[in-house]
Amino acid sequence: QSALTQPRSVAGSPGQSVTISCTGTSRDVGAYPYVSWYQQVPGKAPKLIIHDVDKRPSGVPDRFSGSKSGSTASLTISGLQAEDEADYYCSSYVGNYNFPYVFGSGTAVTVL
Amino acid sequence: EVRLEQSGREVKKSGESLKISCKASGYRFSSYWIGWVRQMPGKGLELMGIIYPGDSDTRYSPSFQGQVTISADKSVSTTYLHWSSLKASDTATYYCARHDDVDIVATIDSWGQGTWVTVSS
Repeated sequence: QSALTQPRSVAGSPGQSVTISCTGTSRDVGAYPYVSWYQQVPGKAPKLIIHDVDKRPSGVPDRFSGSKSGSTASLTISGLQAEDEADYYCSSYVGNYNFPYVFGSGTAVTVL
Repeated sequence: EVRLEQSGREVKKSGESLKISCKASGYRFSSYWIGWVRQMPGKGLELMGIIYPGDSDTRYSPSFQGQVTISADKSVSTTYLHWSSLKASDTATYYCARHDDVDIVATIDSWGQGTWVTVSS
């Protein structure tokens, strides 16, 4: 199972919006409503920020939003803040008994 | 509060064995899938395998089948990741992670702090 495809990096100024894409196939992103997004600050463990395509866990700011169209999921960060500078990973359920989900390749977000 | 407390940094030599641990607290340990995720230096996240402590049902991603062993001890609410013979390419940070659903294993809602493993040749 190949990793989902994400852009290597995106950048934006404070207050701007950035969108990260996560491209899969009809066997993963396109097949199930189970896409998650994780934020990883360098040197720290990842943190869940979106699950089930567009649901935010308690405590995650509403400037983070998720969506999906066909085999591509997206994470949008609105009103970019300096603390949003991190790596972001998507993941998608693939329904395989031994390999239930796959991660994306990761995107580094830089706040200019 | 859900907590996953991992064992500390390890420095080993090729060919040595190693077992790292992940102690859970704050929830019913037996009822949630725990996974191990590898992150090689400067690289992305890779799911190695998952275990359901309730019945020790264990599944491995194809890339890691036969390379590691995942186990759990319900009596101490701890999950383990074991190598019988380390390779330099095992150098990475390893995270344990709790999944939020028993039936659809798709989302990690809690992560351990990570265990850094360095293997020298």
